[in-house]
Amino acid sequence: EAGVTQFPSHSVIEKGQTVTLRCDPISGHDNLYWYRRVMGKEIKFLLHFVKESKQDESGMPNNRFLAERTGGTYSTLKVQPAELEDSGVYFCASSQEAGPSYEQYFGPGTRLTVT
Amino acid sequence: KQEVTQIPAALSVPEGENLVLNCSFTDSAIYNLQWFRQDPGKGLTSLLLIQSSQREQTSGRLNASLDKSSGRSTLYIAASQPGDSATYLCAVRTGANNLFFGTGTRLTVIP
Repeated sequence: EAGVTQFPSHSVIEKGQTVTLRCDPISGHDNLYWYRRVMGKEIKFLLHFVKESKQDESGMPNNRFLAERTGGTYSTLKVQPAELEDSGVYFCASSQEAGPSYEQYFGPGTRLTVT
Repeated sequence: KQEVTQIPAALSVPEGENLVLNCSFTDSAIYNLQWFRQDPGKGLTSLLLIQSSQREQTSGRLNASLDKSSGRSTLYIAASQPGDSATYLCAVRTGANNLFFGTGTRLTVIP
């Protein structure tokens, strides 16, 4: 069974440009999460989808970030316009159900570099 | 607000040594605690998950303990090997669905 996949693995863009990250969860997992780790900091939660609905987006840093999950399958995270402080590693995770009894499975991450 | 701290930030040990990684958290109202391993350029691999009602979990050479009341967890690695070199992260699950992570301990096992 394929795990969580993310694309691209690495993206280098200039400040002010737009970047879209993609996450494909494990098949059948309704719950999808985005996290990110910026330089020197811990991994932090961004948001949680249940199918196509945003269950919790309390971690989204500002309105330059837009997450979507049309159809409840893969998800995209768009950063527009990108700023230098957005550089970091963006992780996606999925779980079969929500709640603490269900483990979240993480993808390899997308390393974003904004110059 | 939950804060998770891991000490030390980096650790180098010779092969064969037993070692302990530490994790502390400020809010003891957790559902579970999880230890992950991250290799360079790779995702997070779950090593052990301890529910709040449990005291420890074991998997092979790894043993994780949890003292919820004091807000502490340890990950014990027995007979370390060069292949254990990686960054180890601990994360706690609170009432929400998100995880709160520590900054990790970068472990190097020297052959």
